Amino acid sequence: KQEVTQIPAALSVPEGENLVLNCSFTDSAIYNLQWFRQDPGKGLTSLLLIQSSQREQTSGRLNASLDKSSGRSTLYIAASQPGDSATYLCAVRPRDTGANNLFFGTGTRLTVIP
Amino acid sequence: NAGVTQTPKFRILKIGQSMTLQCTQDMNHNYMYWYRQDPGMGLKLIYYSVGAGITDKGEVPNGYNVSRSTTEDFPLRLELAAPSQTSVYFCASSRFMGTGNTEAFFGQGTRLTVV
Repeated sequence: KQEVTQIPAALSVPEGENLVLNCSFTDSAIYNLQWFRQDPGKGLTSLLLIQSSQREQTSGRLNASLDKSSGRSTLYIAASQPGDSATYLCAVRPRDTGANNLFFGTGTRLTVIP
Repeated sequence: NAGVTQTPKFRILKIGQSMTLQCTQDMNHNYMYWYRQDPGMGLKLIYYSVGAGITDKGEVPNGYNVSRSTTEDFPLRLELAAPSQTSVYFCASSRFMGTGNTEAFFGQGTRLTVV
């Protein structure tokens, strides 16, 4: 069964720093990996979707990479801002019968200090 | 653009009561899902549907039921609520494009407490 891990569980950085969030998964047979943002008491907002054939995706100050063979993805946030404070979740869609499912990590809670 | 809409946002139930969590999407997505999110745990799939009239169990279906009579709506029914069902429930939808490469969109969640 696919297991998704996110380390660290929490991260605090001063405003303006560049930072990297990590996501690892145990089974490399995936269709895609998706990064989400979750604000306290809110739903999940999709940030980036990386197809299994892609190495990276970019949106504004966000860049997500995917190394399927090693089972790793990173989310790079450039020039962090207090508004980036949230929990960041990664999820993978496996190629087996679980293709109808997304397997989630437990998230990294990011705090950007003004 | 409304996307995925869930109601209610909050609810307190007594043990043994029943209720229906509503979910509707306006993106004409064929796939819809129900997840629960418990503190310190990743989201777990309860049920999913690949189209109107077709539903199937996910990882944690016990104590829940679903139906899908239209493309837009995917209600989740709790019968005989138990404290273990205290959680935050998320509905999601996606457009399945045959290759499995599909992006999921989530609602704002329903925070349910069973006392």
